[in-house]
Amino acid sequence: QKEVEQDPGPLSVPEGAIVSLNCTYSNSAFQYFMWYRQYSRKGPELLMYTYSSGNKEDGRFTAQVDKSSKYISLFIRDSQPSDSATYLCAMSEGTGRRALTFGSGTRLQVQP
Amino acid sequence: DGGITQSPKYLFRKEGQNVTLSCEQNLNHDAMYWYRQDPGQGLRLIYYSQIVNDFQKGDIAEGYSVSREKKESFPLTVTSAQKNPTAFYLCAASGGEAQNIQYFGAGTRLSVL
Repeated sequence: QKEVEQDPGPLSVPEGAIVSLNCTYSNSAFQYFMWYRQYSRKGPELLMYTYSSGNKEDGRFTAQVDKSSKYISLFIRDSQPSDSATYLCAMSEGTGRRALTFGSGTRLQVQP
Repeated sequence: DGGITQSPKYLFRKEGQNVTLSCEQNLNHDAMYWYRQDPGQGLRLIYYSQIVNDFQKGDIAEGYSVSREKKESFPLTVTSAQKNPTAFYLCAASGGEAQNIQYFGAGTRLSVL
């Protein structure tokens, strides 16, 4: 079993839909949670960053962390064709080497 | 790309050849990382360095080597011992107040001729 599980998709939605992307994890020591967006043949860019449990909102994006369930989510409101990309969750224990553990990514396609 | 420059963008390797991928950062971050990305497998850590002249193996270090002689630079060499080098290679850096956030370069796509 992978340390971080993420549905690879593809997930296809119509423009304007609310998108829900999720990851589950097994390491209870993870404290820092990130979502990256990666366009085809580009490097990942940071979208959201949260520490411990709770919600964080930034424009059309909301990140949720439920440490008791070991489950994180990214919601995209009013989705746009420009949101079409692969979304990677990543997490860190925040100690030692500070390296991130990534999910395999979910490919999202927003249809105009 | 957040001040991280990777070159070249595309690279081709012949059988038995060593190739070096460049990564330079102007963020003044202490830590730098190399990841390999294969389709459907996310990012896997090859090597990381938390300080100049020091680096550690990641999860898939076999067939790769690195150096960290300057804070700004963290080159990755893919040696002939790496039998399946075709992949997308990503360099990242972290530091400052939010030390757990990593910023990535645009990547180098390596293919075998």
